[in-house]
Amino acid sequence: GENVEQHPSTLSVQEGDSAVIKCTYSDSASNYFPWYKQELGKGPQLIIDIRSNVGEKKDQRIAVTLNKTAKHFSLHITETQPEDSAVYFCAASILGSGAGSYQLTFGKGTKLSVIP
Amino acid sequence: GAGVSQSPSNKVTEKGKDVELRCDPISGHTALYWYRQSLGQGLEFLIYFQGNSAPDKSGLPSDRFSAERTGGSVSTLTIQRTQQEDSAVYLCASSLEWGRGVDTFGSGTRLTVV
Repeated sequence: GENVEQHPSTLSVQEGDSAVIKCTYSDSASNYFPWYKQELGKGPQLIIDIRSNVGEKKDQRIAVTLNKTAKHFSLHITETQPEDSAVYFCAASILGSGAGSYQLTFGKGTKLSVIP
Repeated sequence: GAGVSQSPSNKVTEKGKDVELRCDPISGHTALYWYRQSLGQGLEFLIYFQGNSAPDKSGLPSDRFSAERTGGSVSTLTIQRTQQEDSAVYLCASSLEWGRGVDTFGSGTRLTVV
């Protein structure tokens, strides 16, 4: 089955700096890569996702890049703010191809701390 | 409702007892998922429901775990004869349709087995 590795497990940045979180996956059939932000006491919230037919996607201060050849994808947060502090999870899945194509395999998470 | 609603938010139970966890998905969402989040294992898939199709139970860790979804809406996850290793946060999620990925999680039920 799919295996997703996520690094680093913890990350501290100064407010205004950029943060980068990296993930690798093992199953070359995976074609959908979402990122989730989880704040204390809440469920994960989808913040951005990318499908394998594109290499990069941006949404304001957040961007995700995908390298299918190397089987890795990254989350980039620019101009970080204290409210970006949370645990971030990457995940991989196969969408649209029948049975078993909806399970998300998650990374172990990155605890991001933005220091004011 | 506005989001995925789970109840109870916290549950403490004695080892060996049965527990039921409830999930109310977003109205109109046909796909419903249960995941488990624990310190050592991260987020693990448990079970998936899509419309009237047979659920995918491949993620359930043992036959003590079962789930049902009545009327294509509310779902209940039941754990029988709870064990300490069942302690975790149980998350429910829903999405508008199969093939769109999981976009909305509930806040979870924190289960503690003592």
